[in-house]
Amino acid sequence: GALVYQYPRRTICKSGTSMRMECQAVGFQATSVAWYRQSPQKTFELIALSTVNSAIKYEQNFTQEKFPISHPNLSFSSMTVLNAYLEDRGLYLCGAIGQGWDSDYTFGSGTRLLVI
Amino acid sequence: GDSVTQTEGQVALSEEDFLTIHCNYSASGYPALFWYVQYPGEGPQFLFRASRDKEKGSSRGFEATYNKETTSFHLQKASVQESDSAVYYCALGDYGGSGNKLIFGTGTLLSVKP
Repeated sequence: GALVYQYPRRTICKSGTSMRMECQAVGFQATSVAWYRQSPQKTFELIALSTVNSAIKYEQNFTQEKFPISHPNLSFSSMTVLNAYLEDRGLYLCGAIGQGWDSDYTFGSGTRLLVI
Repeated sequence: GDSVTQTEGQVALSEEDFLTIHCNYSASGYPALFWYVQYPGEGPQFLFRASRDKEKGSSRGFEATYNKETTSFHLQKASVQESDSAVYYCALGDYGGSGNKLIFGTGTLLSVKP
């Protein structure tokens, strides 16, 4: 079946430092990868959508300068949170979708970021 | 822009009760509609989808029917179990030239007492 692994599961970083998280798709080819942040209130914010052979599209309030994303192949993506501050804390989720009109997003378990 | 509204933030039921979680959407096009479920410590899991008007999606006893007229996709289950306790998210798929974008509602926490 289609699985998505994210690592690390949990990380703590000091305010002003950076943290990189990774996303691995297993069992399918991830033509699109979406990065979300889930707030403590459980709402989802879409950070950016990366589709192979297309430019990465960032949502309003999120920038490449703050959240650079790499999607080098159909099984891997990474995102870095640069200069993390308290407001960046949350659960960062990676969702990947394959080819085909009937494909659906599969999500990893997330990387929980704590900033101290 | 496109959006999804879930009116119930929390629903508390007893086992074997009937469940309804309301979902309404707003979209300029003809989106696919989804239900996802999230258990503690995990990412959201795909439950089912519907892609056209009057289509019913279903899985694990849960079901919802795409209603273009009322712009709704309400989740129902005839008899809930304690193991159904989780957060349920309605979502809208804006798939097309701009990429495969999935927009979530705010979620509904379902608590089922034994």
